[in-house]
Amino acid sequence: DQQVKQNSPSLSVQEGRISILNCDYTNSMFDYFLWYKKYPAEGPTFLISISSIKDKNEDGRFTVFLNKSAKHLSLHIVPSQPGDSAVYFCAATIGGSQGNLIFGKGTKLSVKP
Amino acid sequence: NAGVMQNPRHLVRRRGQEARLRCSPMKGHSHVYWYRQLPEEGLKFMVYLQKENIIDESGMPKERFSAEFPKEGPSILRIQQVVRGDSAAYFCASSIGAQETQYFGPGTRLLVL
Repeated sequence: DQQVKQNSPSLSVQEGRISILNCDYTNSMFDYFLWYKKYPAEGPTFLISISSIKDKNEDGRFTVFLNKSAKHLSLHIVPSQPGDSAVYFCAATIGGSQGNLIFGKGTKLSVKP
Repeated sequence: NAGVMQNPRHLVRRRGQEARLRCSPMKGHSHVYWYRQLPEEGLKFMVYLQKENIIDESGMPKERFSAEFPKEGPSILRIQQVVRGDSAAYFCASSIGAQETQYFGPGTRLLVL
């Protein structure tokens, strides 16, 4: 029973264009969402997060949008760079505590030069 | 400023043996989390510990798995009598507090023959 879903296993984007990674969730109790990036043979690296009281959070080239009514969030990367090629995981938690992160299966992003 | 350290990075065990995975959190972090990633899957929460205490073990299998985070030394995830299905990447994360960002280690890749 997947509470956090990333329905696109992979995404290919041209360098300089926008990458949009999507994530859906089923549990309306989730109130804090995070995106992690993972290179092969390394651990996930925290990218950006958003609380359910907001609908947008921006950090440099990365912006996360949250649509609570649709239970959907997305990560926008613009402009995309070849170094952004990695697996991106969406994660969610309840109560603001990050003690138990629920992860999606990930989307593999390839940014082509 | 060393990040989260895990050792060994790779571990090979035969069925029935014991596996011990170690995690040293970032300096100043007293909260440790263990996650498991099966092939083609997202990370699955296993256990959350604070120094000498297990806070949440809702993701731990009921048998053969145990975790500790002693007052001194690293956190240990112990798997007794390993089976082939235990083959996975095991990631440790740490945070400075319960509602703070989790930073992940590079993982231990366990292979059970």
